Amino acid sequence: DTEVTQTPKHLVMGMTNKKSLKCEQHMGHRAMYWYKQKAKKPPELMFVYSYEKLSINESVPSRFSPECPNSSLLNLHLHALQPEDSALYLCASSPLGGQYLGYTFGSGTRLTVV
Amino acid sequence: QQPVQSPQAVILREGEDAVINCSSSKALYSVHWYRQKHGEAPVFLMILLKGGEQKGHEKISASFNEKKQQSSLYLTASQLSYSGTYFCGTTYNFNKFYFGSGTKLNVKP
Repeated sequence: DTEVTQTPKHLVMGMTNKKSLKCEQHMGHRAMYWYKQKAKKPPELMFVYSYEKLSINESVPSRFSPECPNSSLLNLHLHALQPEDSALYLCASSPLGGQYLGYTFGSGTRLTVV
Repeated sequence: QQPVQSPQAVILREGEDAVINCSSSKALYSVHWYRQKHGEAPVFLMILLKGGEQKGHEKISASFNEKKQQSSLYLTASQLSYSGTYFCGTTYNFNKFYFGSGTKLNVKP
């Protein structure tokens, strides 16, 4: 299995809702990532997990809360989002040392905040 | 801080060639290249780790000039399937991977 699977594919939520994005990989990768991509822009790094521990938080607002329950699963919990948070949220995974080996991306969750 | 790519967009006819450039204001130690089709995941194409390195992937190849802090992606005899947005990327700090600004490629019949 060489895929990163993200669910749901699309999500519409109100500003007072709580929702979660899910990401799963079964490649044995020990690093997992969340990226945010606005239309016609490159993906921007949000969080990095290594060995299920949060190693990088790119000053992301606390309304985004990541969680890595095990080595295959990565969640992004969303609460009290703003319309400007609407974007494509991409999950990626890599072996440790992904900067030398490359990253595998999921196809993303398209989030709309209304 | 992200690498800058040029051109921002290019339109080709099938069979034509293209070059996409990626420049960094900081030292580059490795360069990745990805292609993303609309609404899809970025797909890893190749990685260059050493200055002077060149790599090929079917009719897509890349070079890395470490001294000039640049990389170039070469697409030869383009096919319709090559359409998409191409991103270079690099890691400046440990495990912080930054995508370049992107180049949108449109190959027409």
